[in-house]
Amino acid sequence: GENVEQHPSTLSVQEGDSAVIKCTYSDSASNYFPWYKQELGKRPQLIIDIRSNVGEKKDQRIAVTLNKTAKHFSLHITETQPEDSAVYFCAASIPAAGNKLTFGGGTRVLVKP
Amino acid sequence: DTAVSQTPKYLVTQMGNDKSIKCEQNLGHDTMYWYKQDSKKFLKIMFSYNNKELIINETVPNRFSPKSPDKAHLNLHINSLELGDSAVYFCASSQDLLRGGPAFFGQGTRLTVV
Repeated sequence: GENVEQHPSTLSVQEGDSAVIKCTYSDSASNYFPWYKQELGKRPQLIIDIRSNVGEKKDQRIAVTLNKTAKHFSLHITETQPEDSAVYFCAASIPAAGNKLTFGGGTRVLVKP
Repeated sequence: DTAVSQTPKYLVTQMGNDKSIKCEQNLGHDTMYWYKQDSKKFLKIMFSYNNKELIINETVPNRFSPKSPDKAHLNLHINSLELGDSAVYFCASSQDLLRGGPAFFGQGTRLTVV
């Protein structure tokens, strides 16, 4: 089955700096790659996603890049703010597996004011 | 209006008991899911339903039984609760199977088995 590795597990950045989280996946059949943000004690929230026919997608301060050949994708947060502090999860799914998302282990991001 | 709502938010119960968690979505989505988040925050799919039909049934003990009376509801019943069942359980939904994964999660149910 699919295996998703996420790095780093924790990331501390100064407010205003950029944060980058990287994920690799194992199954080349995966074609949907969402990112979720989970604040402490709250539900995961879908913040951005990308499909395999696209190499990059941007939404304001958040961008995701995908390298299908290398089977890795990354989340970039620019101009970080304290409210960006949360745990971020990457995931990958194979459509033939019925939307079965496999999650990475999560990255705890702390933005220091 | 809450898109995906689940009840209860907290559930504390003794080993051996049977309990249910209810989930409802008002988005008109076809697909609903149950996820388990363990103490290390790892998220894992348990079940998914599409238009009341079971699509994914992960390697979950058969003490866990999902039920979807209609496409807006997906409930989770757990028999003979064990200490290891303690976790946060999230319900989620997506428009359909083409979406690729859940778009909205419920607020979670923190289950503590004592």
